[in-house]
Amino acid sequence: SQQGEEDPQALSIQEGENATMNCSYKTSINNLQWYRQNSGRGLVHLILIRSNEREKHSGRLRVTLDTSKKSSSLLITASRAADTASYFCAPRPGNTGKLIFGQGTTLQVKP
Amino acid sequence: DVKVTQSSRYLVKRTGEKVFLECVQDMDHENMFWYRQDPGLGLRLIYFSYDVKMKEKGDIPEGYSVSREKKERFSLILESASTNQTSMYLCASSFLNPGVNTEAFFGQGTRLTVV
Repeated sequence: SQQGEEDPQALSIQEGENATMNCSYKTSINNLQWYRQNSGRGLVHLILIRSNEREKHSGRLRVTLDTSKKSSSLLITASRAADTASYFCAPRPGNTGKLIFGQGTTLQVKP
Repeated sequence: DVKVTQSSRYLVKRTGEKVFLECVQDMDHENMFWYRQDPGLGLRLIYFSYDVKMKEKGDIPEGYSVSREKKERFSLILESASTNQTSMYLCASSFLNPGVNTEAFFGQGTRLTVV
């Protein structure tokens, strides 16, 4: 399956702490994307990392990609209560535009 | 800004009704997607379209069909609604070419209740 599997399923931390979420996948990819979903809303794209990149930063977000292990991680530094949301990874194979998501990681940041 | 607009935010339909969920995007995207989201099951792909009149089944196409007569519009059709199709439905669109920005843009979702 080309879908990503996120781990852990749920994460609860205090404001100011860092949050790390992991994603594993099975097929070769062109890129891997991370999305965020606030409760009851559509998903919002956070960051995209290409298969030839190992690390990417965007504000408080840091994404790593290890294609040999078929895994990625999303780090949110200095978390805020507003980061409370579900986070999904979507590995994108090069031969199709399909995006398949996993169950996501539900992050709760306590004030 | 890219906009993906779903025709309804909330919808209540009766069992056996034919239901149309409409999605329109304004970014000239080739790809369009329909997902459903249920607690504990994440997002599951129902159908995917990469061009006008072209479609591919996703993981859970049973009970659904789709129509893409124009590039900007992708419709999800529940031929005969059943209570197990009560769910949140999400539409998304993206460019086809992986060499360009290929992130997907989502609509706000349609919460469908079948009674």
